Amino acid sequence: EAGVAQSPRYKIIEKRQSVAFWCNPISGHATLYWYQQILGQGPKLLIQFQNNGVVDDSQLPKDRFSAERLKGVDSTLKIQPAKLEDSAVYLCASSLSPGGPGELFFGEGSRLTVL
Amino acid sequence: DAKTTQPNSMESNEEEPVHLPCNHSTISGTDYIHWYRQLPSQGPEYVIHGLTSNVNNRMASLAIAEDRKSSTLILHRATLRDAAVYYCILRGMDSSYKLIFGSGTRLLVRP
Repeated sequence: EAGVAQSPRYKIIEKRQSVAFWCNPISGHATLYWYQQILGQGPKLLIQFQNNGVVDDSQLPKDRFSAERLKGVDSTLKIQPAKLEDSAVYLCASSLSPGGPGELFFGEGSRLTVL
Repeated sequence: DAKTTQPNSMESNEEEPVHLPCNHSTISGTDYIHWYRQLPSQGPEYVIHGLTSNVNNRMASLAIAEDRKSSTLILHRATLRDAAVYYCILRGMDSSYKLIFGSGTRLLVRP
């Protein structure tokens, strides 16, 4: 079974530039998550989708971050304009069940460096 | 969100058992105890979870205290590949079962 696919794996940009990350969840998984992991910290949940609707985006800095999951399958996370503090690994995860304590499957992440 | 407390780091010798503790004194009746681990340069991966009873799977065992205020993840024979950050996380109805990570325990395995 294919896992969660993310791209690009690495991205280096200068501050005030924009960047986009793509995620393709495991086939059939209705729930998709984006996490931000700053070096030395645990992952922080940014946004959760259920099919193509947003369930929780309370931790998403909406002035510069946006995310969409238009067809209820793959998703894009965008940062515009980027700040130095956005340097982090952006992790995508998916789960089968719409709610409850089901297992989350994570991708390998996209590492962003903002100079 | 209900909080967990874990040691920052632990060390173990290869092929010996490892007991990773987690305190969660404010756990509620609907909270599941989950463990994930994160190997270097990879995303987190599920290890095990339980509610009240001890649980075993191919990766590890989870021992849950009778009052549920603490739990222990047991790796029966540590290998070098088990060197990772281990996260103990409570997931319950009150937080819509969100997976909220703390800082975890960094496990070092000595050859």
